[in-house]
Amino acid sequence: DADVTQTPRNRITKTGKRIMLECSQTKGHDRMYWYRQDPGLGLRLIYYSFDVKDINKGEISDGYSVSRQAQAKFSLSLESAIPNQTALYFCATSSGAILSGETQYFGPGTRLLVL
Amino acid sequence: RKEVEQDPGPFNVPEGATVAFNCTYSNSASQSFFWYRQDCRKEPKLLMSVYSSGNEDGRFTAQLNRASQYISLLIRDSKLSDSATYLCVVNKRSSNTGKLIFGQGTTLQVKP
Repeated sequence: DADVTQTPRNRITKTGKRIMLECSQTKGHDRMYWYRQDPGLGLRLIYYSFDVKDINKGEISDGYSVSRQAQAKFSLSLESAIPNQTALYFCATSSGAILSGETQYFGPGTRLLVL
Repeated sequence: RKEVEQDPGPFNVPEGATVAFNCTYSNSASQSFFWYRQDCRKEPKLLMSVYSSGNEDGRFTAQLNRASQYISLLIRDSKLSDSATYLCVVNKRSSNTGKLIFGQGTTLQVKP
């Protein structure tokens, strides 16, 4: 079984709709992240969380919100989707340990199309 | 200027060839460096960390040049299965903040 899972894997929605992307992990890591990937731009950080009570904005948080429901769950919401939020979204985790903590483990991604 | 820059390629090489990718980073305080591999339509996965003295893992060799702020990845004896996008990754600050900056990736295609 995968250590980091994302649901849904694919989603088509319309402009103005609210949608939620979910991420779960069984690695026991404290740190979780949401990225989006666009062609030619690489991965960009949306939000990250270092523990259940910690939420931080990344470089492109506008139009997004997150919820860390438990150590193992981190969800990303688009309150009112717009077409330029069409992208591939990845969730990732890391342990934060001194020696290896910056290695991030990614989920399989969610392909989102906003019409 | 992007914080991490890579030549997007694609690099088209025959099987058995040696190929090298470079990456430059702008933050001189960065302390952690990585190469990730991403197959088409899949998630990135850690290929190797990059250490100051350089390090090797089988056919893969990573080098770090702090003075010039660049990182390299050398692949020897290329295999068809090496075809992928290689992401250069740098931490944002000098400490373990968990914030990584990803380059846009360099695409490698190994041909028979």
